[in-house]
Amino acid sequence: GNSVTQMEGPVTLSEEAFLTINCTYTATGYPSLFWYVQYPGEGLQLLLKATKADDKGSNKGFEATYRKETTSFHLEKGSVQVSDSAVYFCALIRSNYQLIWGAGTKLIIKP
Amino acid sequence: EAGVAQSPRYKIIEKRQSVAFWCNPISGHATLYWYQQILGQGPKLLIQFQNNGVVDDSQLPKDRFSAERLKGVDSTLKIQPAKLEDSAVYLCASSHRQVFDQNTEAFFGQGTRLTVV
Repeated sequence: GNSVTQMEGPVTLSEEAFLTINCTYTATGYPSLFWYVQYPGEGLQLLLKATKADDKGSNKGFEATYRKETTSFHLEKGSVQVSDSAVYFCALIRSNYQLIWGAGTKLIIKP
Repeated sequence: EAGVAQSPRYKIIEKRQSVAFWCNPISGHATLYWYQQILGQGPKLLIQFQNNGVVDDSQLPKDRFSAERLKGVDSTLKIQPAKLEDSAVYLCASSHRQVFDQNTEAFFGQGTRLTVV
């Protein structure tokens, strides 16, 4: 079936460090892939998305590339800030257009 | 543009009591979703409306959960009677398209945190 697996958190980094949050998926066909972010006390926001293989989604300095060969959609940022502290969710869309979610990865950035 | 509004933000009830949550989607959005997010897990879709009709409620525990969207705008989600395992954040989202296609984004409210004691 369809599923999304994310690296477990929390991930703790110092400001300006390089960030990678791993996400792998299993799915039939070629789903669209998403990263959502949830800041403390707020709702979910779409961070970026990619709709086909080799697409790169980017937003706010974050990037993720749709890798069909490795069924991955890892989130990266070159230099994190304290304000990036949040929970990040990887997700894919099923053929019936429901979102399948990863468990989320909590990111903590220390000044 | 106003976002998705939910109330209350927090609710504490005893098990076997009933509780209701309210959601006002973004104006003009035809699709409304209710999600349950248990701590440490991703959101789980409970029900999806298209206007005032139900598109998918396959994961809604219908023996205790109910939801309605009268007039295709606001929606309420009710739990009766509540169980301890219902403690979670209940998220409402809306979208102007029926489906998450390549050009669709779902907008989420801040959620209602329910604690059942």
